[in-house]
Amino acid sequence: EPEVTQTPSHQVTQMGQEVILRCVPISNHLYFYWYRQILGQKVEFLVSFYNNEISEKSEIFDDQFSVERPDGSNFTLKIRSTKLEDSAMYFCASSDPQQPQQETQYFGPGTRLLVL
Amino acid sequence: RKEVEQDPGPFNVPEGATVAFNCTYSNSASQSFFWYRQDCRKEPKLLMSVYSSGNEDGRFTAQLNRASQYISLLIRDSKLSDSATYLCVVNDNFNKFYFGSGTKLNVKP
Repeated sequence: EPEVTQTPSHQVTQMGQEVILRCVPISNHLYFYWYRQILGQKVEFLVSFYNNEISEKSEIFDDQFSVERPDGSNFTLKIRSTKLEDSAMYFCASSDPQQPQQETQYFGPGTRLLVL
Repeated sequence: RKEVEQDPGPFNVPEGATVAFNCTYSNSASQSFFWYRQDCRKEPKLLMSVYSSGNEDGRFTAQLNRASQYISLLIRDSKLSDSATYLCVVNDNFNKFYFGSGTKLNVKP
């Protein structure tokens, strides 16, 4: 069964450093998403991406965040200057191109980011 | 304002019990609805989509009430493996998904 993969599984960084979280969505999917989940809290939508541009973004997704699809397979989330409160699990997801609003989102296993 | 609200639980039930969860959403223009389950420190996994007519998948039944803006999930004949957190997810009109905080279910032998 096809799956979304994410690397690294864990990342520890110093406050103020830049991090790049990587995702490989399912190959025929065209809609991609990033979510975060702070420990003990709910899953929060960050951004959706389609056709090489941001489709929607939340209030959380401010100027320190950016997304990119640098090649045909990877989808990345960059956090430019990390803060302590960025510590969370970051999930990537992708969905089928035909009915993105109705179709299943497949989630990757997540990257646990710890900012010290 | 919370877009999606759920009772956090936990719901502690014996094996074989029937348990129901509800979820309310605030945006009447929401287009699609889902139940996901999330095991501890794992990614969410789709349990089922929720259709206007209601739908059933084995022991799981989902209902949508647009007039009252709530969604329900019924689990019959609970198994130990059903123990997880159940997440209500709502998609608004624009490719943006809102998750509830989840309802924790503990099924005990």
